[in-house]
Amino acid sequence: QKEVEQDPGPLSVPEGAIVSLNCTYSNSAFQYFMWYRQYSRKGPELLMYTYSSGNKEDGRFTAQVDKSSKYISLFIRDSQPSDSATYLCAMSVPGNQFYFGTGTSLTVIP
Amino acid sequence: KAGVTQTPRYLIKTRGQQVTLSCSPISGHRSVSWYQQTPGQGLQFLFEYFSETQRNKGNFPGRFSGRQFSNSRSEMNVSTLELGDSALYLCASSLGGSPGVETQYFGPGTRLLVL
Repeated sequence: QKEVEQDPGPLSVPEGAIVSLNCTYSNSAFQYFMWYRQYSRKGPELLMYTYSSGNKEDGRFTAQVDKSSKYISLFIRDSQPSDSATYLCAMSVPGNQFYFGTGTSLTVIP
Repeated sequence: KAGVTQTPRYLIKTRGQQVTLSCSPISGHRSVSWYQQTPGQGLQFLFEYFSETQRNKGNFPGRFSGRQFSNSRSEMNVSTLELGDSALYLCASSLGGSPGVETQYFGPGTRLLVL
């Protein structure tokens, strides 16, 4: 079983839709949770960074962590064509490496 | 500040050859991590270097090796290339004081094709 599972999609939504991206994990020791966005032919860039359980909001983006269910989510409100990219979840234990999901490909149709 | 740079951006090699990839971290960053990205497996951690020492290592065979220089620049070497080594190799840098906690900043990657 992989440490982190992520539905690869692809996901296609109309402009203005609310997008929900999710990851599950098996290691209950994970404490730090991240979402990265990766455009084609580019490296991943950090979008959201959360510690332990709870919600964090930044503009149109909201990250949720539910440690009891070992489940994290990223919500994108009022999605734009510029949001079209691959979204990667990542998580870690302090002092250790980061574990990444395989990424979900998102297309926002104008 | 300049971002993480990786050279070369693209490489084509044949099976059995070896390859060296280079990564220059953000100025002031002392940790460099390497990842292999493939469509089926996603990002897989290869190793992390901090102050010229390997601090963490992933589950890759010994054909994959790396090193870090005193200026924090890092190189990754893959010997006896196999078809399955075709991938995007990403380098990420961070300040280095707290592995697994600090934000990592990624370079654009080196796309390696093994024929």
